Amino acid sequence: GAGVSQSPRYKVAKRGQDVALRCDPISGHVSLFWYQQALGQGPEFLTYFQNEAQLDKSGLPSDRFFAERPEGSVSTLKIQRTQQEDSAVYLCASSLGWGREKLFFGSGTQLSVL
Amino acid sequence: AQRVTQPEKLLSVFKGAPVELKCNYSYSGSPELFWYVQYSRQRLQLLLRHISRESIKGFTADLNKGETSFHLKKPFAQEEDSAMYYCALPSGSARQLTFGSGTQLTVLP
Repeated sequence: GAGVSQSPRYKVAKRGQDVALRCDPISGHVSLFWYQQALGQGPEFLTYFQNEAQLDKSGLPSDRFFAERPEGSVSTLKIQRTQQEDSAVYLCASSLGWGREKLFFGSGTQLSVL
Repeated sequence: AQRVTQPEKLLSVFKGAPVELKCNYSYSGSPELFWYVQYSRQRLQLLLRHISRESIKGFTADLNKGETSFHLKKPFAQEEDSAMYYCALPSGSARQLTFGSGTQLTVLP
C-alpha cells in the first residue's frame, strides 16, 4: 500500500464526546505504535502492539484511553469523555519486526476538543 | 529515566554553511539513538540510526558517550534540509522510542 494510513485526518469533538481514531498499518508489519504529539512537542508514546497483543500500554494517560488491534492489522484508539487536554495530533507508526528498527509513521489525526 | 534533550527549538543557517543540531541524552546502558525528520507537509520519517553508521543526505551523527550526545551534522546545508528534526532513543519496554522536543531547521538562501 501507500504506507500507514490514518483516519480521520482532522477531528473536532465537544468536551465529553467519545472519539475513535483509526490506523491501517503497512501490510505485514508486526509492530504498531500510537503516539500523542502536543503542539510544539515531540511525539510521546502511548501504547504498543505486537500483532494483536497489546504488550505495553504504559503511556496511556488515563483509563479514558483505550486501544485495540483485534486481528493484528487495523488498530483503533478510542478516547472516552474527551477533555480539552486531549487536543493533540495522534500518530500511528508500524514496523516490520518487533519494534526498535525503522518506524513508518502515518500522517496523524489532529484532534481538537472544544 | 531515559531522557532526550534538544536545546534549540529553532536554528537558522545560510545555504552552504555547516549545520549541527544538538541532542543530549540520559540513558543507563548502551543506547541506540535515532534521528527522525519531518519535512513540511510530510510524515515523520527515519533519517538515520547510529547503529548503522550511515550517512543519509549528507548528514552524519556520532555517539559521544562521554558527553552523552548524538549531534546531527552536515558540512554544507541545502535549502531542502529545512525541516523539523527529532532525536530519539529507546525507553520503557525498549520497544518504544522517547523523542526530544525537536529542532526546526531553516536553511536560508
